[in-house]
Amino acid sequence: GENVEQHPSTLSVQEGDSAVIKCTYSDSASNYFPWYKQELGKRPQLIIDIRSNVGEKKDQRIAVTLNKTAKHFSLHITETQPEDSAVYFCAARDSGGYQKVTFGTGTKLQVIP
Amino acid sequence: DAGITQSPRYKITETGRQVTLMCHQTWSHSYMFWYRQDLGHGLRLIYYSAAADITDKGEVPDGYVVSRSKTENFPLTLESATRSQTSVYFCASSEASNEQFFGPGTRLTVL
Repeated sequence: GENVEQHPSTLSVQEGDSAVIKCTYSDSASNYFPWYKQELGKRPQLIIDIRSNVGEKKDQRIAVTLNKTAKHFSLHITETQPEDSAVYFCAARDSGGYQKVTFGTGTKLQVIP
Repeated sequence: DAGITQSPRYKITETGRQVTLMCHQTWSHSYMFWYRQDLGHGLRLIYYSAAADITDKGEVPDGYVVSRSKTENFPLTLESATRSQTSVYFCASSEASNEQFFGPGTRLTVL
């Protein structure tokens, strides 16, 4: 099955700096890569996603890049703000018909004011 | 999102008891999922369902049972709870090729 590794497990940045979270996946047939943000005590919520036919996608201060050859994808947050503090999960969905998604183990991002 | 709900939100039970966690969604999504979230492990898939009466095991299914007699409901049963099943449980739903929407979670403690 799919295996997703995520690094780092914790990340502290100063407000206004950029944050980068990296993930690798094992199944070359995976075709959809969502990123979820989970605030303390809340449910995970999708913040951005990318499909395998696209190399980069941007939405305001967040962007995701995908390197299919290396089986690697990354989340970039620019101009970080205290409200960006949360746990971020990357995920990969396999190509099977059941929409199964495998999650990374999460990155706890702390933005220091 | 009001479209997917879980009950109870908090549950304390004892080892060996049967516990059922409920999940209900109002979107008529075909796909539903149960995850458990534990520190250091992220979200691990327990069971998933592609439609009513179609379910299959995920990564960590041992000790759990699911059913899906109606599209909108996907209950998860712990047949004989163990302490290792203390966790936060999330239900999610999706339609084909779209994002998964998560419920608010159930925090389960097994004493």
